[in-house]
Amino acid sequence: DADVTQTPRNRITKTGKRIMLECSQTKGHDRMYWYRQDPGLGLQLIYYSFDVKDINKGEISDGYSVSRQAQAKFSLSLESAIPNQTALYFCATSDEYEQFFGPGTRLTVL
Amino acid sequence: AQSVSQHNHHVILSEAASLELGCNYSYGGTVNLFWYVQYPGQHLQLLLKYFSGDPLVKGIKGFEAEFIKSKFSFNLRKPSVQWSDTAEYFCAVNPRSNYQLIWGAGTKLIIKP
Repeated sequence: DADVTQTPRNRITKTGKRIMLECSQTKGHDRMYWYRQDPGLGLQLIYYSFDVKDINKGEISDGYSVSRQAQAKFSLSLESAIPNQTALYFCATSDEYEQFFGPGTRLTVL
Repeated sequence: AQSVSQHNHHVILSEAASLELGCNYSYGGTVNLFWYVQYPGQHLQLLLKYFSGDPLVKGIKGFEAEFIKSKFSFNLRKPSVQWSDTAEYFCAVNPRSNYQLIWGAGTKLIIKP
């Protein structure tokens, strides 16, 4: 079984819709992250959480919100999706030394 | 601001050619260094990492990287590439003052059979 899972894997939605992307991990780590990947830009950090009560904005948090429901769960929401949020979204978890990634969610906003 | 620069966005090589992908970072303090690989349609996987000690580190699948502190560089190398090395490669730096990773833009490597 995968250590970091993401649902859905693919999603097509319309402008203005609310979308939630979910992430679960079985590695027992406290730290979790949400990134978006755009061609030619690498990974950009949206939000990160060092434990259930500690949530921090990353470099591109505008238009996104997160919820850390438990140590193992970290969800990302787009309150009102817009086309330039079309991207590949990755969830990750880490120990002190390494980040472990989920398979990604490909989101298309029409 | 802290940043990571990967010099080549696209690299095309023939099988058996040697590979070197450049990575430079801008941060004056102590860092941990990583190379991740993303094969087509797959998620990011750790290729190798450097924390301390021998600046020449060996990773999976015959890859290695050398940390040159004076040049703020952590270049990835492989002496003889294979078609299966076709992927996107990302360099990432973790300033030890925090736990975040700063990512390069990635290099798409295409190996011609």
